[in-house]
Amino acid sequence: DGGITQSPKYLFRKEGQNVTLSCEQNLNHDAMYWYRQDPGQGLRLIYYSQIVNDFQKGDIAEGYSVSREKKESFPLTVTSAQKNPTAFYLCASRPGHQNTGELFFGEGSRLTVL
Amino acid sequence: LAKTTQPISMDSYEGQEVNITCSHNNIATNDYITWYQQFPSQGPRFIIQGYKTKVTNEVASLFIPADRKSSTLSLPRVSLSDTAVYYCLVGLTGANNLFFGTGTRLTVIP
Repeated sequence: DGGITQSPKYLFRKEGQNVTLSCEQNLNHDAMYWYRQDPGQGLRLIYYSQIVNDFQKGDIAEGYSVSREKKESFPLTVTSAQKNPTAFYLCASRPGHQNTGELFFGEGSRLTVL
Repeated sequence: LAKTTQPISMDSYEGQEVNITCSHNNIATNDYITWYQQFPSQGPRFIIQGYKTKVTNEVASLFIPADRKSSTLSLPRVSLSDTAVYYCLVGLTGANNLFFGTGTRLTVIP
């Protein structure tokens, strides 16, 4: 079945460690996104990528990094520079560059810093 | 930046029609309006999208007035399983970037 797969679903990290969250899609979508969601809050955009080898900062990019070496993959690294990394992270994709069309979301990765 | 404003929460009894209104005063000419539904610890799910007037699908209707500065999501005959957070999104013209506000938390009561 086509869709977006995020892993791991749950992740625990010690302070000062970098962690990488995986996002893979087999929908042949050009655009991919990473969002962060805190309890009771909406989604905030971290990074997005419209095409392979290109990505742009969103509203809260500080302390995060991404890469887009393959169309189907858009991993997110939460670095030690991110002051409050505990959150629910959501990856999404969309077919093209237009501002229409459905966003397809993964099931999310919940990161907890111990 | 076409940000949106929605009520924080709403309650409804089972079987009633629910209307959730979203304000987007700065919507741009080419922006579409999209609604998503999110259950706890899951990714949002697309409900409906429109540009103007009325759009209807198997789960909802979307009403957009002529000035497009607001929109109303209508859920007919809600059930307990419709308890969720509903987000109204307006795309940014020329950019691949969507703004999610805090959404509206709908609670359906038996």
